[in-house]
Amino acid sequence: AQSVTQLDSQVPVFEEAPVELRCNYSSSVSVYLFWYVQYPNQGLQLLLKYLSGSTLVKGINGFEAEFNKSQTSFHLRKPSVHISDTAEYFCAVMGGSGNTGKLIFGQGTTLQVKP
Amino acid sequence: KAGVTQTPRYLIKTRGQQVTLSCSPISGHRSVSWYQQTPGQGLQFLFEYFSETQRNKGNFPGRFSGRQFSNSRSEMNVSTLELGDSALYLCASSFRLQETQYFGPGTRLLVL
Repeated sequence: AQSVTQLDSQVPVFEEAPVELRCNYSSSVSVYLFWYVQYPNQGLQLLLKYLSGSTLVKGINGFEAEFNKSQTSFHLRKPSVHISDTAEYFCAVMGGSGNTGKLIFGQGTTLQVKP
Repeated sequence: KAGVTQTPRYLIKTRGQQVTLSCSPISGHRSVSWYQQTPGQGLQFLFEYFSETQRNKGNFPGRFSGRQFSNSRSEMNVSTLELGDSALYLCASSFRLQETQYFGPGTRLLVL
């Protein structure tokens, strides 16, 4: 069975500081990996995805993530955060084989950017 | 292109009632998935549809059901509502199965 663990439930950081949100997954098959962001009272917005190819993936709003197969990790990074990045972030995995698009999500990490 | 739309955005029901939620996918997308989001359980997969067929179902009781129409629009139904069904219900669409899913704004259901 697949699972996703987001190692930090809350990450406080000052504006313009770098941030890393950690995500580990477990799966016996190849996977696709995603990061979504959720602002208050909204749905999920896709930040970036890893399907194949380069292990360094760049997304919207200056975010990037690196797929590390040996460590089964997909950590999200941003070199300089803004107040507007305050939101909840979800890491998700989709099995890369089979006939399902089912996403399995981590419990989420709340990023709190302080002025 | 317009994004995924969900109606209604908010609902208040009482225990024992039933509810139907609607989802219109992005134009051209043929796969629709549903997720339940609660503070305690997080985001959980309900079911997914492709070409009007349910392809996969999550671990939810039979009170939760859904369907997909020929225009790819989808509905989910919850019968005999319980307090624990209070949640944000999210719909996501993709062009095909196993492709990137794009989410709607959700329907917030409160069961009293």
